[in-house]
Amino acid sequence: SQKIEQNSEALNIQEGKTATLTCNYTNYSPAYLQWYRQDPGRGPVFLLLIRENEKEKRKERLKVTFDTTLKQSLFHITASQPADSATYLCAQGGGGGNKLTFGTGTQLKVEL
Amino acid sequence: GAVVSQHPSWVICKSGTSVKIECRSLDFQATTMFWYRQFPKQSLMLMATSNEGSKATYEQGVEKDKFLINHASLTLSTLTVTSAHPEDSSFYICSAISGTGVTDTQYFGPGTRLTVL
Repeated sequence: SQKIEQNSEALNIQEGKTATLTCNYTNYSPAYLQWYRQDPGRGPVFLLLIRENEKEKRKERLKVTFDTTLKQSLFHITASQPADSATYLCAQGGGGGNKLTFGTGTQLKVEL
Repeated sequence: GAVVSQHPSWVICKSGTSVKIECRSLDFQATTMFWYRQFPKQSLMLMATSNEGSKATYEQGVEKDKFLINHASLTLSTLTVTSAHPEDSSFYICSAISGTGVTDTQYFGPGTRLTVL
């Protein structure tokens, strides 16, 4: 069965650096992938969506790529700030009825 | 932006009792709402999909008689955990979408922390 894997459970980087988070899927290429931010004790907040036929999407300091050959999506935060510290979730869509399958998330900590 | 609220934000109950959680879309009409459960340090697991005026569709392994879902209006869905047990303690999150497109964004509520003693 399809799995969404976010390999890094936690990632610590210095303020100002670029954070790169990885999302891999195991079998078929999903119609689209979404990235969410989740703060402790809160629901996820939508950040970006990238479709299967798109290679890259940008929004302010955020960039998402989709590589169907590598079966991977990368999520970048440039000029990272301590306020970017949160858990970032990758979710696969297109499975019918707008259902999403989430990865386990990567906890990002941006240090001063 | 679209806002989804949940009530209560946390609840503690005794084993064997039932708990109702409300999910409301505050500034849009939600054609579809989703209920998720999240255990500590784990991912969101979809429990069921709820469409206004029709029966909810449950994911495999989710007991529909234990987790009762009612989507009575375009702005309100409720999840009732019946005869709750300690293993039902979890973070329950709802989400809502307003359209019918394949890639409509899901707007998530803030979640409800359920603790069953």
